[in-house]
Amino acid sequence: EVQLQQSGPELVKPGASVKMSCKASGYTFTDYYMKWVKQSHGKSLEWIGDINPNNGDTFYNQKFKGKATLTVDKSSSTAYMQLNSLTSEDSAVYYCANAYYGNYYFDYWGQGTTLTVSS
Amino acid sequence: DIQMTQTTSSLSASLGDRVTISCSASQGISNYLNWYQQKPDGTVKLLIYYTSSLHSGVPSRFSGSGSGTDYSLTISNLEPEDIATYYCQQYSKLPWTFGGGTKLEIK
Repeated sequence: EVQLQQSGPELVKPGASVKMSCKASGYTFTDYYMKWVKQSHGKSLEWIGDINPNNGDTFYNQKFKGKATLTVDKSSSTAYMQLNSLTSEDSAVYYCANAYYGNYYFDYWGQGTTLTVSS
Repeated sequence: DIQMTQTTSSLSASLGDRVTISCSASQGISNYLNWYQQKPDGTVKLLIYYTSSLHSGVPSRFSGSGSGTDYSLTISNLEPEDIATYYCQQYSKLPWTFGGGTKLEIK
């Protein structure tokens, strides 16, 4: 069974950074891109970017360049997203989702990580 | 960016009903359109990809159609577990973009 287990909720002060994780199981980690999505409270979904776990190549939504940094650790089948210079606008639920190479849909999703930016 | 519009933000229907949810793109997207279901607990699942292909494990009461700029998701014989918010998403052009969602409630 494919599972994407995301790290727990975060409460972070404005101006700080946060790094959240997404641990994959039930499939070959390097066979799928990992995608990240933002959902602000009560709002729709925004694609942040993708990472290719094979070589670390990244593809970002222009809107999130400079805000998000995607990385992976193949040894632990874990993807990470770091968000920097946090403001209240970054408070949201963040999802990871995978996508088989050549497919353009978000196949399986994690349960989401809630980020709250507040002093 | 391609704007995806779901003009109906919420929809109320009865169990057993046939429900259609619409999605419109700001330009033609050549059937490069997926549908997702988000349950009230936040769980998100892929339902349909490439306009009308059913994802593995998705009940056959879900179907998709459309072309050009206009697409729809149909749920036949509405069941209690279908209560959720439904999002369309285009992958014709980067950045991938989602519709605003249609929340389906039981009447």
